[in-house]
Amino acid sequence: AQSVTQLDSQVPVFEEAPVELRCNYSSSVSVYLFWYVQYPNQGLQLLLKYLSGSTLVKGINGFEAEFNKSQTSFHLRKPSVHISDTAEYFCAVSFTGFQKLVFGTGTRLLVSP
Amino acid sequence: KAGVTQTPRYLIKTRGQQVTLSCSPISGHRSVSWYQQTPGQGLQFLFEYFSETQRNKGNFPGRFSGRQFSNSRSEMNVSTLELGDSALYLCASSGNNEQFFGPGTRLTVL
Repeated sequence: AQSVTQLDSQVPVFEEAPVELRCNYSSSVSVYLFWYVQYPNQGLQLLLKYLSGSTLVKGINGFEAEFNKSQTSFHLRKPSVHISDTAEYFCAVSFTGFQKLVFGTGTRLLVSP
Repeated sequence: KAGVTQTPRYLIKTRGQQVTLSCSPISGHRSVSWYQQTPGQGLQFLFEYFSETQRNKGNFPGRFSGRQFSNSRSEMNVSTLELGDSALYLCASSGNNEQFFGPGTRLTVL
């Protein structure tokens, strides 16, 4: 079955520390991968996407992610977080087309001073 | 370019009523997808419309329906509302190999 797993429901981190949010997926076919961020009472904003090519993808706000086909993972990283990065982060996978995404359960990133 | 807009932003209904939500995609985008977001089930795909035709459908009962107009604006309708339909309903339009999301409509069913 095609699925997306975000193992960490919540990740607490201190300001200026590095962070990694994990995402794994299950699929026997090629996929497209996305990370979205959601701030309270708002919609989803795209951080970055992997379609093909280089496995290291750089996104907005200093985030980057690495696609690992053998481990079916797409972990999100940031070398130094800010208070303003506190939000919910969703990994999403397109198994059949860009118009239909399957989302992970989300990871709440809590950045404290 | 204006983003995806959704109206209304907030809605309160009672069980048994029906509701219609509206979504205007980014200009030039012809595909509109709808998602339901709840604390228990997370983000789930409802359906997708392209050129006024439903092209993809998720696993939701027939009480959930939608349509798309010739200007690509889309509406979704939920009939005979249940308490469990309380959720944030997100609309997204597709372009440039990604989906652009609106701010959502928060539906509360009492």
